[in-house]
Amino acid sequence: EIVLTQSPDTLSVSPGERVTLSCRASQSVVNNYLAWYQQRPGQRPRLLISGATTRATGIPDRFFGSGSGTDFTLTINGLGPGDFAMYYCQHYTSLPRTFGQGTKVEI
Amino acid sequence: EVHLVESGGGLVHPGESLRLSCVASGFNFNYYWVAWVRQAPGKGLEWVASIDQHDRETYYVDSVQGRFLLSRDNAVRSVYLQMNELRVDDTATYYCVRDTFGVYDFWGQGTQVTVAS
Repeated sequence: EIVLTQSPDTLSVSPGERVTLSCRASQSVVNNYLAWYQQRPGQRPRLLISGATTRATGIPDRFFGSGSGTDFTLTINGLGPGDFAMYYCQHYTSLPRTFGQGTKVEI
Repeated sequence: EVHLVESGGGLVHPGESLRLSCVASGFNFNYYWVAWVRQAPGKGLEWVASIDQHDRETYYVDSVQGRFLLSRDNAVRSVYLQMNELRVDDTATYYCVRDTFGVYDFWGQGTQVTVAS
């Protein structure tokens, strides 16, 4: 089972800033099969990024995914009000699919 | 527009059963895997189970293997999660998700399952 560890657990930032979220895998994520999801308070998660770098339909280019192997990053440029949320990474290279524990981006 | 609508959640005692349903619309249901992902109160996301397009392959997280059974009926665009021998730690919001090669690209609104004595 691949364990995903996200850091930090919480990021306190101001609107307009840029943030960088990390996701580290316990073993290599084959084909960079890694996704990022955003979950706003009280809402269902939504897909942001798949394949480590490909934005989902409708996701603005302020969201940027990068990385390979065991180290992946989600960068959010110019934080807007709706970006204060939980962010989860998830691998889909094998079963079981697993998620990171999440990073909370707060004001 | 893709929609997934879950139902069937509720409050049950440990050891009891529940059957969750998920009805899909807005896409060719026959072409896609479907998965269930759960989220315990205040906790993160956990993959629970997945089913292939043809109702031939199912996969489960170890903690529910042997207790949960996933099935689908493509004629009515629905997926069913039969949950038996429920435990307190099965308490969560259960999301039905469209599974596109392992990427969960659309999520339902979730249904709450509470297991308590």
